[in-house]
Amino acid sequence: AQKITQTQPGMFVQEKEAVTLDCTYDTSDPSYGLFWYKQPSSGEMIFLIYQGSYDQQNATEGRYSLNFQKARKSANLVISASQLGDSAMYFCAMRGRQGAQKLVFGQGTRLTINP
Amino acid sequence: EPEVTQTPSHQVTQMGQEVILRCVPISNHLYFYWYRQILGQKVEFLVSFYNNEISEKSEIFDDQFSVERPDGSNFTLKIRSTKLEDSAMYFCASSESQRDSGELFFGEGSRLTVL
Repeated sequence: AQKITQTQPGMFVQEKEAVTLDCTYDTSDPSYGLFWYKQPSSGEMIFLIYQGSYDQQNATEGRYSLNFQKARKSANLVISASQLGDSAMYFCAMRGRQGAQKLVFGQGTRLTINP
Repeated sequence: EPEVTQTPSHQVTQMGQEVILRCVPISNHLYFYWYRQILGQKVEFLVSFYNNEISEKSEIFDDQFSVERPDGSNFTLKIRSTKLEDSAMYFCASSESQRDSGELFFGEGSRLTVL
């Protein structure tokens, strides 16, 4: 079975600072994908970034980067130069090859950016 | 940009009533999902659907729940007799592929309140 763990229920960061949101995972799939989604207070789920288990390089998308450490089974999200609009819930998720390749989500981290 | 649309955005119902939540996935997508998020909690998988049948379902998805793709564009979730604990945000998602690198695109959610 796949499992995602996010150990930080809440994070508070000053605007313009970088922030790292932790995510560890467990799976027996040899191939899998790791995703981060942002959920603002309005409720929608916004895709941020994807990392494949066989990708050699860490994924980057603008201010978002994924610090992928396969041996440690971690996939931390790094947000550089944080903005007030980054305040939201952030979910780490995994998709493997078992079953219907559903996404399995972690518990989420609520990020608050202070001015 | 193509998107997943969900209706209604919010529904209030009495306990024991039937509810149908509707979703229009992205047109060329083949894999469809329903997820549930109880307020303040993680996003939980309910069911996946492919080729006009359920491909996987969670233990939450009991006999009170059903899904249907009645006309090739809509994808519906029916709750036969709602309970108080069914109050949640319900997200529809679709995916073009079953690959572990395939992103799931989420709708904006339907908030169900059972009184």
